Amino acid sequence: DAKTTQPPSMDCAEGRAANLPCNHSTISGNEYVYWYRQIHSQGPQYIIHGLKNNETNEMASLIITEDRKSSTLILPHATLRDTAVYYCIVRALNSGGSNYKLTFGKGTLLTVNP
Amino acid sequence: DTEVTQTPKHLVMGMTNKKSLKCEQHMGHRAMYWYKQKAKKPPELMFVYSYEKLSINESVPSRFSPECPNSSLLNLHLHALQPEDSALYLCASSPLTVQPYGYTFGSGTRLTVV
Repeated sequence: DAKTTQPPSMDCAEGRAANLPCNHSTISGNEYVYWYRQIHSQGPQYIIHGLKNNETNEMASLIITEDRKSSTLILPHATLRDTAVYYCIVRALNSGGSNYKLTFGKGTLLTVNP
Repeated sequence: DTEVTQTPKHLVMGMTNKKSLKCEQHMGHRAMYWYKQKAKKPPELMFVYSYEKLSINESVPSRFSPECPNSSLLNLHLHALQPEDSALYLCASSPLTVQPYGYTFGSGTRLTVV
């Protein structure tokens, strides 16, 4: 898996948008960008993934730069319950359909303040 | 059912004990995973099962013995553990398809070796 770089911590005010950056400058053409989060003492939770295009779901938006060397996860209206460690992971999915292993980096601790 | 269920949630065992962790999913996922997470660290992959067969062992000591009796169940048998094996043990599952689905994680078993 290509390596990712994330800031160790970020703060966000409740109700504001949280923008979490991730650098993945060595990403390969067949590697997807995944975002997971882990709330304290719980298992990681899948948020969103993308390959080239920007993606949006009920939890967040994922913005991937045109050169794919970086991405930003956007939580549009952060709440206190969004306080968690956010992991950006790049992973390939080969044409045969086998999933390569998911390797976690250190992630970003997002703290949403009242 | 969209969950991965892990039991027990907490386990305390002595270094001479034998115990097992259990993981169950009924989403039809054909890949299952064991991760280990030490305090304030990211999850680390231990084992990957694909179609009930062990496909990846990340050089895990033999005192950890995985077992996948059927497509819905994953066990981790523990024997002669050390105090440094105390950690949160996470199970996850995912589909094995050409689509890049995310993993679904359980809430983990918090293991304390005394």
